[in-house]
Amino acid sequence: QVQLQESGPGLVKPSQTLSLTCTVSGGSITSDSYYWSWVRQPAGKGLEWIGRIYASGDTNYNPSLKSRVTMSVDTSKDQFSLELSTVTAADTAVYYCARVVTGNKWYIDLWGRGTLVTVSS
Amino acid sequence: DIPMTQSPSSLSASVGDRVTITCRASQSISDYLNWYQQKPGKAPKLLIFAASNLQSGVPSRFSGSGSGTDFTLTISSLQPEDFATYYCQQSYSRAAFGGGTKVEIK
Repeated sequence: QVQLQESGPGLVKPSQTLSLTCTVSGGSITSDSYYWSWVRQPAGKGLEWIGRIYASGDTNYNPSLKSRVTMSVDTSKDQFSLELSTVTAADTAVYYCARVVTGNKWYIDLWGRGTLVTVSS
Repeated sequence: DIPMTQSPSSLSASVGDRVTITCRASQSISDYLNWYQQKPGKAPKLLIFAASNLQSGVPSRFSGSGSGTDFTLTISSLQPEDFATYYCQQSYSRAAFGGGTKVEIK
């Protein structure tokens, strides 16, 4: 059974870079059937799609975050990562990593449990 | 990108009620529309993909319909475990989620 697990610092200072890693267990990140995504959710608010990455390294980002987001993948470790630069308090949220079923009509079929990242000095 | 608008933002219903949630796209997205359920403190769960396809393991009381700009999630007979927040998400152009609909106990 495939599982996703987010890891990374729970506290980041303003103006610094938020870095998170998602480890895929029970399956391979290089499967042709899937690619990988990050979604975040501020406390009490809705979901915001951050972007997606293929095992090849190709990416698509939310235009509103594109200038600050970098996603990468490490196929040798079955991990993919998120970096969000120049963070502010508005970036405080639960960050989820997720598996996306490929195809034109793609969708997220598996989520990590989420990790809370707080931006504060 | 294509923003999504859900309505209502919240509703109160009783067990056994038929519940309908609407999601509207700012432009046509064909049937590139997914629905998720989220309970407090938990990750979202996929219910419906491509507007009307029930995800494996999801009870048949959930159904989705629509195409173009207007979509509906219907719960035919609300059960106690269905009290949650529901989100639509378009996958036509990158991605965007609706603002959510919280289904509360009446």
